[in-house]
Amino acid sequence: EVQLVESGGGLEQPGRSLRLSCTGSGFTFGDYAMSWFRQAPGKGLEWVGFIRSETSGGTTEYAASLKGRFTISRDDSRTIAYLQMNSLKTEDTAVYYCARGDCSVGSCDQFDYWGQGTLVSVSS
Amino acid sequence: IQLTQSPSSLSASVGDRVTITCRASQGVSSYLAWYQQKPGKAPKLLIYGASILQSGVPSRFSGSGSGTDFTLTISSLQPEDFATYSCLQLSTYPYTFGQGTRLEIK
Repeated sequence: EVQLVESGGGLEQPGRSLRLSCTGSGFTFGDYAMSWFRQAPGKGLEWVGFIRSETSGGTTEYAASLKGRFTISRDDSRTIAYLQMNSLKTEDTAVYYCARGDCSVGSCDQFDYWGQGTLVSVSS
Repeated sequence: IQLTQSPSSLSASVGDRVTITCRASQGVSSYLAWYQQKPGKAPKLLIYGASILQSGVPSRFSGSGSGTDFTLTISSLQPEDFATYSCLQLSTYPYTFGQGTRLEIK
């Protein structure tokens, strides 16, 4: 059974950093891209970015508004994808989801399995 | 690319046929997916490639369209289908979602 479990969320002050983890199981983690999404309270879904599999180059794509503050990485030996969030702002408050992606060197076809999400609250 | 869903909310009864529309501000070919989300839960993939039914999703769900105009149809609403539905374009970065359509019980 494919499972994705996010961790690392919590309350953090503006300007600080936080690293989220997404641990995958039940599938060959290294064969898939891993993406992050977020959803602010009462709002719609927002794509954060993704990292391709190493066989597709291991490259990353980000939402332009977040590029430079957020960084996605992966450790296939531990089946974990990371979202490093720096210079946090109050508007980064959201539930953050990771998802498995069917992505090539070009684009992605879909994100099929999602984790349950982890809440990040940014407040002084 | 902006995705505009209509309607934003919809009231319907069990057994009804429901159609939700997603319009893109520019062409996305068939790089469009539909997700269902229930309160406090993660999104669930229903349709990708505009019309390909994800494995395990009931056949009452169907998708159509290409370019800028897409539809999600539920042929006969079941109690478990009351949720929020969102479209996602995967044609151009940044990937973007529609604002969501909340489907409520009449």
